[in-house]
Amino acid sequence: AQKVTQAQTEISVVEKEDVTLDCVYETRDTTYYLFWYKQPPSGELVFLIRRNSFDEQNEISGRYSWNFQKSTSSFNFTITASQVVDSAVYFCALSEPSYNNNDMRFGAGTRLTVKP
Amino acid sequence: ETGVTQTPRHLVMGMTNKKSLKCEQHLGHNAMYWYKQSAKKPLELMFVYNFKEQTENNSVPSRFSPECPNSSHLFLHLHTLQPEDSALYLCASSIGTALSTDTQYFGPGTRLTVL
Repeated sequence: AQKVTQAQTEISVVEKEDVTLDCVYETRDTTYYLFWYKQPPSGELVFLIRRNSFDEQNEISGRYSWNFQKSTSSFNFTITASQVVDSAVYFCALSEPSYNNNDMRFGAGTRLTVKP
Repeated sequence: ETGVTQTPRHLVMGMTNKKSLKCEQHLGHNAMYWYKQSAKKPLELMFVYNFKEQTENNSVPSRFSPECPNSSHLFLHLHTLQPEDSALYLCASSIGTALSTDTQYFGPGTRLTVL
């Protein structure tokens, strides 16, 4: 069963629009970690955020914000006032330490294109 | 630049060839990873090394053979590959292997095409 679902395969917006990338996860653990990574055209995955299951506070970092809701098993990512440099593939991932502390289960990714 | 370099960036090989992918990290980390990113599948963990010892082999076929001579270098030796092995192979490193606290830093990947 897929542990992390990113239902949006591709999103295209115009610069300065706000955009939300959805992530829904599945776990039976009470302790788990959620991540977002950005993969620009250069290829490397860039870490954006880690959130543990006990911290449901929303987080804001500049134009980026994350909304973690355990009730709906979602960890959505919003980019405010998007820019062309935000164009990338964004991955959500889940780590379940009781299952395997080494492994992250990645979603399929959402390709975001920001047009000027 | 994330501090993790991979060579070559692109590789085309036939099914009977033997080649190796190289990863080097300049971050002083102790753990290194190989991931496979296929067009049709989510990113998959292949191998994990911690202090040069392999701690994870995620049911990877034996035609992929990892080698970690020290904590800064990781190789993936390839032989008798299949066309379905064509993918982007990503290397990552982290201080330790506890994902609860240790962030993974990724290299740019090697784009492998098997003919």
